[in-house]
Amino acid sequence: ETGVTQTPRHLVMGMTNKKSLKCEQHLGHNAMYWYKQSAKKPLELMFVYSLEERVENNSVPSRFSPECPNSSHLFLHLHTLQPEDSALYLCASSQDGGTSGYEQYFGPGTRLTVT
Amino acid sequence: GDSVTQMEGPVTLSEEAFLTINCTYTATGYPSLFWYVQYPGEGLQLLLKATKADDKGSNKGFEATYRKETTSFHLEKGSVQVSDSAVYFCALNEWAGGYNKLIFGAGTRLAVHP
Repeated sequence: ETGVTQTPRHLVMGMTNKKSLKCEQHLGHNAMYWYKQSAKKPLELMFVYSLEERVENNSVPSRFSPECPNSSHLFLHLHTLQPEDSALYLCASSQDGGTSGYEQYFGPGTRLTVT
Repeated sequence: GDSVTQMEGPVTLSEEAFLTINCTYTATGYPSLFWYVQYPGEGLQLLLKATKADDKGSNKGFEATYRKETTSFHLEKGSVQVSDSAVYFCALNEWAGGYNKLIFGAGTRLAVHP
């Protein structure tokens, strides 16, 4: 599945580092999402971008900063993270077309470890 | 708000056994319903979907029927294989007043043994 790609696939960073996660979708969709998946919690929706505008910030700490420069690219900038931020970060995209509802397509994820 | 409840896992089966993973939902409207599968080390893949009551979604031998009267969307497969071992997520689509988002269940881990 190459519709949604994420880089890097694995990342180890110290608590004082700054890094960025990248997501790119090749499906022509107009909405993109960041999720956090950890062993102890269900999938957590972090951010939603629709038509390149952030429409949801699900009470995410400010050490996570999203950026959506165009409809195909989504970034998650990370700084001064905590060990509990270690998780799989998933990007997804969908075609947002009103109230009928559309499936989301996911990337393979970035496995983040904070040391 | 809307929510999804799945049966807790893990579910352990022998190859060729019949699979059922229960999923029920609460929603104010009539959402679309989905099953996603996550294989080890990968992201989520859409397995099947249903957009209205009595619709049956199917893919790769898996089926689920949208039951409005019981607010359920149970996943079934007649004969599982070792390669079906994965985590399965039930989800519904919620219109959040300007955009769509998915509400996921907690996931059910399936382990199939030869």
